[in-house]
Amino acid sequence: ETGVTQTPRHLVMGMTNKKSLKCEQHLGHNAMYWYKQSAKKPLELMFVYSLEERVENNSVPSRFSPECPNSSHLFLHLHTLQPEDSALYLCASSLTGVNTEAFFGQGTRLTVV
Amino acid sequence: DAKTTQPPSMDCAEGRAANLPCNHSTISGNEYVYWYRQIHSQGPQYIIHGLKNNETNEMASLIITEDRKSSTLILPHATLRDTAVYYCIVGGKTSYDKVIFGPGTSLSVIP
Repeated sequence: ETGVTQTPRHLVMGMTNKKSLKCEQHLGHNAMYWYKQSAKKPLELMFVYSLEERVENNSVPSRFSPECPNSSHLFLHLHTLQPEDSALYLCASSLTGVNTEAFFGQGTRLTVV
Repeated sequence: DAKTTQPPSMDCAEGRAANLPCNHSTISGNEYVYWYRQIHSQGPQYIIHGLKNNETNEMASLIITEDRKSSTLILPHATLRDTAVYYCIVGGKTSYDKVIFGPGTSLSVIP
């Protein structure tokens, strides 16, 4: 248990559906991250929020929409996804300026059908 | 892009020390070396980090060369549960950090 909780753990959605992934941490961290991990590939950084402001967006398609309403919660809103978006989506958090080791959630396994 | 290079895979006998190397020849003076591992289909787990001195915790030891261009993660007595992909990452500590992962080293601990 890392202190970073992701829900749901598994999600199957159709290409026309809208769904959201949720990430929550109560570690007092002020930076949160979304990563995508496709089969047999390294983790890809998608979004970074620091102090609730988006500071990084690595050319992610607009069908992925992040939201960070406060420092403890992070969402990834999904709409009109493609089958190639099927992957493990990981959330992480860290404390900037002091220790930047990141704590990861267990991920959401997303399958787009 | 990841700023480190690691061997793609390694084997280690159970109970022996696992020594995982990492090259980071372009590391800058204020960048730390971090190690994470990812057991199959789980989220990555932080292991250890260091700047220039060797570091040890309950999980592992980190040996950083004097010129800081390479480092070695040591798991002193590998167990089957240490089978995982190990990632070496460099990053700063004074501002928010982009934790960028490369392909890592897939360590297999063999009975």
